[in-house]
Amino acid sequence: ETGVTQSPTHLIKTRGQQVTLRCSSQSGHNTVSWYQQALGQGPQFIFQYYREEENGRGNFPPRFSGLQFPNYSSELNVNALELDDSALYLCASSPRGRTGTEAFFGQGTRLTVV
Amino acid sequence: AQSVTQLGSHVSVSEGALVLLRCNYSSSVPPYLFWYVQYPNQGLQLLLKYTSAATLVKGINGFEAEFKKSETSFHLTKPSAHMSDAAEYFCAVILGAGNQCSFGTGTRLTLIP
Repeated sequence: ETGVTQSPTHLIKTRGQQVTLRCSSQSGHNTVSWYQQALGQGPQFIFQYYREEENGRGNFPPRFSGLQFPNYSSELNVNALELDDSALYLCASSPRGRTGTEAFFGQGTRLTVV
Repeated sequence: AQSVTQLGSHVSVSEGALVLLRCNYSSSVPPYLFWYVQYPNQGLQLLLKYTSAATLVKGINGFEAEFKKSETSFHLTKPSAHMSDAAEYFCAVILGAGNQCSFGTGTRLTLIP
């Protein structure tokens, strides 16, 4: 069984640029959530995708956007990067089912904006 | 809105000592609660979860947590700490039907040899 994989593992971008982060969900999982974890903080929910549509969003501006593909993989796009976007971005997948089902996390993408 | 609060951003214990990491929740409905562990430069790994089946929940690596409604708490314990337990621990609560989570700010557990 393949777990959640994210790419790239590390990334350095310049303020104002755009970035795309990628996530392959665990086999059999059709729901993908993205989280931002700033240094020394807990993960913050960005948004979730189910059936290729956004299914819930946290308190993040529209320059954070995403996609989900038919194979359930997902992308997180961030436009007009700001210094405060520097963080570990975590992808989590879960099967759509009963409330209370846990999510399985990838190892994250460390984004540094300079 | 549902949320969790972790008391103590840093906890240090001696190897072999009891580990106690505190988490209090705020929820208007019966919550679904989780404890996750994060090792350096890694993602999050599920330790255990509470889904109302039993108030004492046993997880991996010898950890357990007790749900106490009267205290709105879900503290994580381990009877005897091991050096490999040094990590960041996060308490989390389900936000809604999509199983999105709200995480606490984390507690860094340090082991003293």
